Parts: sequence; C-alpha cells; structure tokens
Amino acid sequence: DTGVSQDPRHKITKRGQNVTFRCDPISEHNRLYWYRQTLGQGPEFLTYFQNEAQLEKSRLLSDRFSAERPKGSFSTLEIQRTEQGDSAMYLCASSLIQADTQYFGPGTRLTVL
Amino acid sequence: AQSVAQPEDQVNVAEGNPLTVKCTYSVSGNPYLFWYVQYPNRGLQFLLKYITGDNLVKGSYGFEAEFNKSQTSFHLKKPSALVSDSALYFCAVRDLTGGYNKLIFGAGTRLAVHP
Repeated sequence: DTGVSQDPRHKITKRGQNVTFRCDPISEHNRLYWYRQTLGQGPEFLTYFQNEAQLEKSRLLSDRFSAERPKGSFSTLEIQRTEQGDSAMYLCASSLIQADTQYFGPGTRLTVL
Repeated sequence: AQSVAQPEDQVNVAEGNPLTVKCTYSVSGNPYLFWYVQYPNRGLQFLLKYITGDNLVKGSYGFEAEFNKSQTSFHLKKPSALVSDSALYFCAVRDLTGGYNKLIFGAGTRLAVHP
C-alpha cells in the first residue's frame, strides 16, 4: 500500500516534554499538510509544504510547534514543552500540485498528562 | 472567510433506507467541495468531490452528493444505507486564501445505521 503513513500512531507524554511526529506522504505527492483534530471537531489546518518549502502556517501553530520537510519527502512535526491543550489527533495529508484531493494518513493521537 | 456548516450532530437511519447528511457552505468564488469519512481511531478517507460540471457527483462505496448553488448546499446521499456506513462524516471546502490549497472542515456528522 502506498498511502500516507504516520508514526507513531499513539503518543503519551508528560506535560513539558518534547514530542516529534513523522509523516511519509504518497511518494509522488509534492504537497504535504498537517492538521490537528480535537475531540468532537473537524480537522484544523496547521501548516503546508510544497516540496521542502513551508509556505503557510496557521495562527494555531504557536512558537512551540515546528515542522520540517528537509528533502521534500517525509515531514516531521515537533511540539516543544507540551501542554495538556496539545492533546489531539495530528493528521498529515498529501496531494499532487495539480490535483485538489488531499489524502490523509491514519493520524498520531497525542495525550499529554 | 470560507466556512462549512454541518447542521446535524448525528443522523440515525435504518439499514436499507436512504440516507442524507447535510452540508452548507459559504465561499467567495467558485466552491471546491469535498466529503470525507472517518472510522474510529482512523484518519480521514476521501469519498468524493465537486469541482465543476454535473451537480450530482458520484463517489466511493455508493455515496453521491448533490451540489446546489442557489441553496449553497452539498448534501451527501446514499440510496440504501449499510450498517458498515456508520462513521463520522466531514464536509470540507477548499480555501485558496493566500493562494494555498488548505481545507476548511465542518464539525462532522455522526451517522448511525441500525440493523
């Protein structure tokens, strides 16, 4: 299967710790997106890459959040000094430059204790 | 600003009956609309999209959606519901603000299909 993959699927951490999530997009997709989904809500956009360039960041992405896509392939999302409010499902999606459809990975569920 | 509304938190339907999950939108310009489904502890799975053309869009698993410009709606439909259709459904609109292709999602509608 060549869909979007994310690792880990679940992460439990203590408040104040740093966490890093990885996303591997569909191999030929140039665009990569991160979204956050809290319980009972739809996903909210966090940030977007075209190849290795990070082109847009949401106001939701505080200074504690950083995302990279160093070689235009996989991406990482790091959260520093986690807070309980960071508990959510973090979703990654990818798409072709010329296409409109975003394909999502299974998500990483973060629980901050 | 672009937005999407899903007026029903939950829809209940008996297996074999037709189902409708409602979505209304507010966009500037031409709308690009999407439906996704989410099963428990899973990511979002693409069902169908409307870009242009025929107002009735057919998608995966027997689902279809009707685009209505005058009512600014994009309701998801299926002629005969299955218990396995029970899941969380999200309507989304493409937001091109700033020239970038991000999705704005509704809050979701939980579909429960009863045997």
